[in-house]
Amino acid sequence: KAGVTQTPRYLIKTRGQQVTLSCSPISGHRSVSWYQQTPGQGLQFLFEYFSETQRNKGNFPGRFSGRQFSNSRSEMNVSTLELGDSALYLCASSLAQGLDTQYFGPGTRLTVL
Amino acid sequence: AQSVTQLGSHVSVSEGALVLLRCNYSSSVPPYLFWYVQYPNQGLQLLLKYTSAATLVKGINGFEAEFKKSETSFHLTKPSAHMSDAAEYFCAVSDLSGGSNYKLTFGKGTLLTVNP
Repeated sequence: KAGVTQTPRYLIKTRGQQVTLSCSPISGHRSVSWYQQTPGQGLQFLFEYFSETQRNKGNFPGRFSGRQFSNSRSEMNVSTLELGDSALYLCASSLAQGLDTQYFGPGTRLTVL
Repeated sequence: AQSVTQLGSHVSVSEGALVLLRCNYSSSVPPYLFWYVQYPNQGLQLLLKYTSAATLVKGINGFEAEFKKSETSFHLTKPSAHMSDAAEYFCAVSDLSGGSNYKLTFGKGTLLTVNP
């Protein structure tokens, strides 16, 4: 079974621009979570979607948003990029809800100049 | 609120030596605990997880971890380190307390170096 895929793998943007990252979960998985990884803050939870509904959200500004499609694929969007948004963005999928194990993709490395 | 503390941001061992990576958690309800490994330029790979069954959990690549409720610890061990174990290791917690059951809270990570 194919793992979690994320596109693109690398992205360079400038301040003020917006960006959209994509995540395709493992086949049959209905939950998708997003995490931001930076050297200073470590791994931080952004949000989680299940059946196209956001069920939980971390402490990030409204510039960070996401959505999930009927096929469970998910996108996250960051508007008005800031230098501090440079990070590795990781997507994880799990079968359903609750405490199912989360399986991570390789991440998208975003650099904001 | 749940939290995870990993003692030691960097651990260095010799090949063949015991690996011990420390993790302490805080949770108001019985937790689920995880260890993930991250190799350079890659995502996180699940090593093992504790879900309130056996307190000694065996994972992949010869790693195991023991849940000790009295010490709120979930330390990761491997009897004999291999060069390929060099990576960053993350301990994470999740529980069923309101609003947190769909997310993992991670520790800051421990970078493991294995010397020949």
